[in-house]
Amino acid sequence: GAVVSQHPSWVICKSGTSVKIECRSLDFQATTMFWYRQFPKQSLMLMATSNEGSKATYEQGVEKDKFLINHASLTLSTLTVTSAHPEDSSFYICSARDQFWAGDLNEQFFGPGTRLTVL
Amino acid sequence: RKEVEQDPGPFNVPEGATVAFNCTYSNSASQSFFWYRQDCRKEPKLLMSVYSSGNEDGRFTAQLNRASQYISLLIRDSKLSDSATYLCVVNGDSSYKLIFGSGTRLLVRP
Repeated sequence: GAVVSQHPSWVICKSGTSVKIECRSLDFQATTMFWYRQFPKQSLMLMATSNEGSKATYEQGVEKDKFLINHASLTLSTLTVTSAHPEDSSFYICSARDQFWAGDLNEQFFGPGTRLTVL
Repeated sequence: RKEVEQDPGPFNVPEGATVAFNCTYSNSASQSFFWYRQDCRKEPKLLMSVYSSGNEDGRFTAQLNRASQYISLLIRDSKLSDSATYLCVVNGDSSYKLIFGSGTRLLVRP
């Protein structure tokens, strides 16, 4: 149980294009999903918290107009990197929280990540 | 001060060695503590939660000291497959956020 998928697993795009990344909870409903970014040799940095049916909450320093998040259903959240530039190249990882999880409710289940390279 | 601090390592140990990682956190109100393992270019995977009384899972033992805001992970009888980055993770102050340490890299050599 508690499986999260991400698509695509990697993407290469030209500077100025937009890229959409999907995050799905496969066997549970996720009212809350999280989007992280990880640069080489650094830890995961939370970008935003995505709540189903409402606007995402962005961390300080993350541009909400550049990183568009949509969480329209209980099993799907999307992150769109608009007008991507080389400095946006990174490993983007989503996670989801299962509100009915029998264990620690703060535990998050991670997707396999999407490696974005902007040329 | 970082919210979660770890020694970045790398720790380079022979197979069979015992190795310990430490972590400190700044938010005294944190209630959930985890160790995650991350392999190169992969997502983090939960290794174990950390409970107040300390807990053990096979070769792995985790300890929590709330008074000192300190968490530890002990790995006994290291295997080559234990080579990875170990992330200390603490819940944030709201909205079920998790705060990740920068990770400690472990290299187990034959």
